[in-house]
Amino acid sequence: AQSVSQHNHHVILSEAASLELGCNYSYGGTVNLFWYVQYPGQHLQLLLKYFSGDPLVKGIKGFEAEFIKSKFSFNLRKPSVQWSDTAEYFCAAANQAGTALIFGKGTTLSVSS
Amino acid sequence: DGGITQSPKYLFRKEGQNVTLSCEQNLNHDAMYWYRQDPGQGLRLIYYSQIVNDFQKGDIAEGYSVSREKKESFPLTVTSAQKNPTAFYLCASSSIAGDVTYNEQFFGPGTRLTVL
Repeated sequence: AQSVSQHNHHVILSEAASLELGCNYSYGGTVNLFWYVQYPGQHLQLLLKYFSGDPLVKGIKGFEAEFIKSKFSFNLRKPSVQWSDTAEYFCAAANQAGTALIFGKGTTLSVSS
Repeated sequence: DGGITQSPKYLFRKEGQNVTLSCEQNLNHDAMYWYRQDPGQGLRLIYYSQIVNDFQKGDIAEGYSVSREKKESFPLTVTSAQKNPTAFYLCASSSIAGDVTYNEQFFGPGTRLTVL
């Protein structure tokens, strides 16, 4: 079955620390990949997406992700986190039929000031 | 102001009762989706629809039903057959061009359902 795995359930960082959240998907071929963020009390919103082209994708709020096809990975990074980055982060991949998204279980990021 | 609205924000229901969650979008999107979010489980797909009067089951459709009579509306009914209905329910939509679903989904604010 197609699946998306997020390696970290809960990450705790101090402000200015660097962030990397792992994400792996289980199937090959063409795949559309996404990172969504859910800030406390807010809508789920798109951070960044990869469809094709440059495997290093830049998103909002200084986030970026790198698509590594050989590793089936799409890790999210930020060089220096802020307290306002405290949120839940979800990696997602389009299913092979292109009809729906498969989400990972999410990573809760807590940033202390 | 385009977007997706879900109502109500909080919903309480007694065991054995059916309840319908509303989802409306004014983004002119063809596809709509319902997810269930539980702590530590991520988002799990309940149902989706790519066109009016047609919908498909997702991974956890048992105990739920949907309809898609209008492009902008995709209500979800949680029936009494759903064994563990207390959860946060998210509606989403996305555009389709030709036979390509872009898959970038836009989400509503969610409805938190509690069964008493």
